[in-house]
Amino acid sequence: QVQLQESGPGLVKPSQTLSLTCTVSGGSISSGGYYWSWIRQPAGKGLEWIGHIYTSGSTNYNPSLKSRVTISADTSNNQFSLRVTSVTAADTAVYYCASCPLWPPYGLDVWGQGTTVTVSS
Amino acid sequence: EIVLTQSPGTLSLSPGERATLSCRASQSVSSTYLAWYQQTPGQAPRLLIYGASSRATGIPDRFSGSGSGTDFTLTISRLEPEDFAVYYCQQYGSLPFTFGPGTKVDIK
Repeated sequence: QVQLQESGPGLVKPSQTLSLTCTVSGGSISSGGYYWSWIRQPAGKGLEWIGHIYTSGSTNYNPSLKSRVTISADTSNNQFSLRVTSVTAADTAVYYCASCPLWPPYGLDVWGQGTTVTVSS
Repeated sequence: EIVLTQSPGTLSLSPGERATLSCRASQSVSSTYLAWYQQTPGQAPRLLIYGASSRATGIPDRFSGSGSGTDFTLTISRLEPEDFAVYYCQQYGSLPFTFGPGTKVDIK
């Protein structure tokens, strides 16, 4: 069974870049057939899909964040990463990574535990 | 972008009662790509239903999903204490993938 674990700084200053990594165990991100995804959730609010990367390296992003977001993969370390530039307090949230199989189309079937990121000076 | 609306916002019920949650889409969603998630406080969301009506691995049969087009429903036949949580629908057939705002099921 695939397991996911987010890691990264819990505090980021305004205007700086937020960088998180998701480490995948129990499966290979290069084996194909998955969208490796990022989702975030501000405290007390709902879920927001940020984007995903496919095995081929192709990416899709939420248009609301597209100009500031980059998702990349490091197959040698079985990790994928999220970068959000020019952060503001509005980017304060719990950030989750998740896997989304292409077929069968289960949706976001495995989630990391989430990591809290606070944007503050 | 497909906007998902969930109703009611909050559902107050007692253990043993039936819960019916609605998810409505701003345009047609392929049933293949409609999911429901459960989230309890401090936890990551958990996949309950995919493909509008298929239960994910390990999900009890008191959870069922139905619907097509723009109207989808999650039903919990008899609420157990652990079912009091927030439920989100999501469509993942059209980019950007989107979530509904959630329905909170709390204890009456």
